[in-house]
Amino acid sequence: DTTVKQNPRYKLARVGKPVNLICSQTMNHDTMYWYQKKPNQAPKLLLFYYDKILNREADTFEKFQSSRPNNSFCSLYIGSAGLEYSAMYLCASSRGLGDQNTLYFGAGTRLSVL
Amino acid sequence: AQSVTQPDARVTVSEGASLQLRCKYSYFGTPYLFWYVQYPRQGLQLLLKYYPGDPVVQGVNGFEAEFSKSNSSFHLRKASVHWSDWAVYFCAVSSYQGGRALIFGTGTTVSVSP
Repeated sequence: DTTVKQNPRYKLARVGKPVNLICSQTMNHDTMYWYQKKPNQAPKLLLFYYDKILNREADTFEKFQSSRPNNSFCSLYIGSAGLEYSAMYLCASSRGLGDQNTLYFGAGTRLSVL
Repeated sequence: AQSVTQPDARVTVSEGASLQLRCKYSYFGTPYLFWYVQYPRQGLQLLLKYYPGDPVVQGVNGFEAEFSKSNSSFHLRKASVHWSDWAVYFCAVSSYQGGRALIFGTGTTVSVSP
């Protein structure tokens, strides 16, 4: 089973309110990623966990938090949503790190901030 | 900095016609290159990947791609397009970012006409 699941599929949030997105995988993959995808833009890496080690991108360091309570689950947390957070959020996982690893993606969560 | 450029945002082809999607990369050193496809309402799926070696890479569903170091390109081809190929295609390069994570292009939407 090569499934990455994301919940919910659609999320509506108010400006200034927190948002929590969930991702799970059953492949026992070491690494889980979060990407942000806006229309007509490339998916942008926000952060990734390798095992229990969190790596966050420099330009999004303070905007997104994440937790990985166990190997299968990973969350993406926005403390105070702004209009600019409206996007598709893609979760992915891979076995280990390295150039050769295939990423398996979930279908995404579409976040709309009003 | 590493980057990927997909110059064509949208391509329309007739069913049965050939298809070429362009991808240019910028990378210092030897790149690892990927093509991912996103079908409607699904997550991104790996189509094919290139590791240093044979410049022509075969993928699933009759797709192939050719790596050119001199042109910094990794174009995707298919000899005969089927209606089920209607999707968004993303080119990506593997980049060191505290580990290894994919840098994507903006994607090319392929529409198939009867």
